[in-house]
Amino acid sequence: AQSVSQHNHHVILSEAASLELGCNYSYGGTVNLFWYVQYPGQHLQLLLKYFSGDPLVKGIKGFEAEFIKSKFSFNLRKPSVQWSDTAEYFCAVNTNTGNQFYFGTGTSLTVIP
Amino acid sequence: DTAVSQTPKYLVTQMGNDKSIKCEQNLGHDTMYWYKQDSKKFLKIMFSYNNKELIINETVPNRFSPKSPDKAHLNLHINSLELGDSAVYFCASSQIDEQFFGPGTRLTVL
Repeated sequence: AQSVSQHNHHVILSEAASLELGCNYSYGGTVNLFWYVQYPGQHLQLLLKYFSGDPLVKGIKGFEAEFIKSKFSFNLRKPSVQWSDTAEYFCAVNTNTGNQFYFGTGTSLTVIP
Repeated sequence: DTAVSQTPKYLVTQMGNDKSIKCEQNLGHDTMYWYKQDSKKFLKIMFSYNNKELIINETVPNRFSPKSPDKAHLNLHINSLELGDSAVYFCASSQIDEQFFGPGTRLTVL
């Protein structure tokens, strides 16, 4: 069965620090990849997505992610975090054979002002 | 013009009661989902409906039953509520390339 792993469960950073959150998936076929963000008390919102083409994807609010097929990874990055980036971050995978989305367990990011 | 809406936003009830959560999407998507998010923020898929057919049921207790009167609605009915059912329940819809989530329903069972 497909699975998505997020190895960082809790990350605490100071403002202006750089961020990288790991995401690995297990599926041998073609996948679509997503990062969602959930701000405190809110629902999940899409940060960015990758379907094909340039493996470096740029999303909203200065986030980007790089798809490395050989490593089955789709890590999320931001060069300089802000206090307002404090949230839960979820990596998700969707196989192009259907409408099934597989979510990681999430990473809680706390940014200290 | 909310894309995915859920009602109620908060639901507080006693153990043993039966309750329903409603979900509606105006995106014209074919597939809708219910997720349960526990206190640790783990997001667990419960059901999905594609063109009114159940296509995922991740070992959810049969006290939970999804009902889809039409493609735009997927309601969640819960019988005999238990303490462990307390969580935030999210509805979502998709058209393969992205999922859109509703605002969530925080269920508290006393």
